[in-house]
Amino acid sequence: DAGVIQSPRHEVTEMGQEVTLRCKLISGHNSLFWYRQTMMRGLELLIYFNNNVPIDDSGMPEDRFSAKMPNASFSTLKIQPSEPRDSAVYFCASSPDNDREKLFFGSGTQLSVL
Amino acid sequence: DAKTTQPPSMDCAEGRAANLPCNHSTISGNEYVYWYRQIHSQGPQYIIHGLKNNETNEMASLIITEDRKSSTLILPHATLRDTAVYYCIVKNTGNQFYFGTGTSLTVIP
Repeated sequence: DAGVIQSPRHEVTEMGQEVTLRCKLISGHNSLFWYRQTMMRGLELLIYFNNNVPIDDSGMPEDRFSAKMPNASFSTLKIQPSEPRDSAVYFCASSPDNDREKLFFGSGTQLSVL
Repeated sequence: DAKTTQPPSMDCAEGRAANLPCNHSTISGNEYVYWYRQIHSQGPQYIIHGLKNNETNEMASLIITEDRKSSTLILPHATLRDTAVYYCIVKNTGNQFYFGTGTSLTVIP
């Protein structure tokens, strides 16, 4: 298995533009997590899905952020409109139902909003 | 909500054992201790977890004190590739992982 796959690896955009980050889960995994990492705040949990249903989105910063799981293997995190303070590394992670305590992380998307 | 306390940084000589401490004095009876690490420019990686017994796997050993208020992650023979930030996390099963600032371990040749 290729592991959790995120795209793009790097994204540079201008303030006000829409940004879409993508994540492909490991086959057979049922839970999906989006995290954001900055120097100031470390790793922050944004949202968690189980079986395609959002379970906890309390970490989503504001209405500019939205996340979806259109199917069991794929998720998107959208920021519209983007702001410079959204610059960070965004990670997604997945875990299987029979071993939820092991999160498998992707390589992350480095987002820079100018 | 800082449930764990870790030193911000540590050094270890290559080939020696790296012992990473973690204090979790407010841990409750049904909370587990988890360790993840993050190598530069990569996502975090699961290492090991335990409740009260010591645990060992192919990556590391986890020693939890009898009162469960602290634990130590042991990398028996540290290599340069073990240089990373190590996160100690305390949580109930089913709850979410909240990563703190961790310990930055540098393995020195």
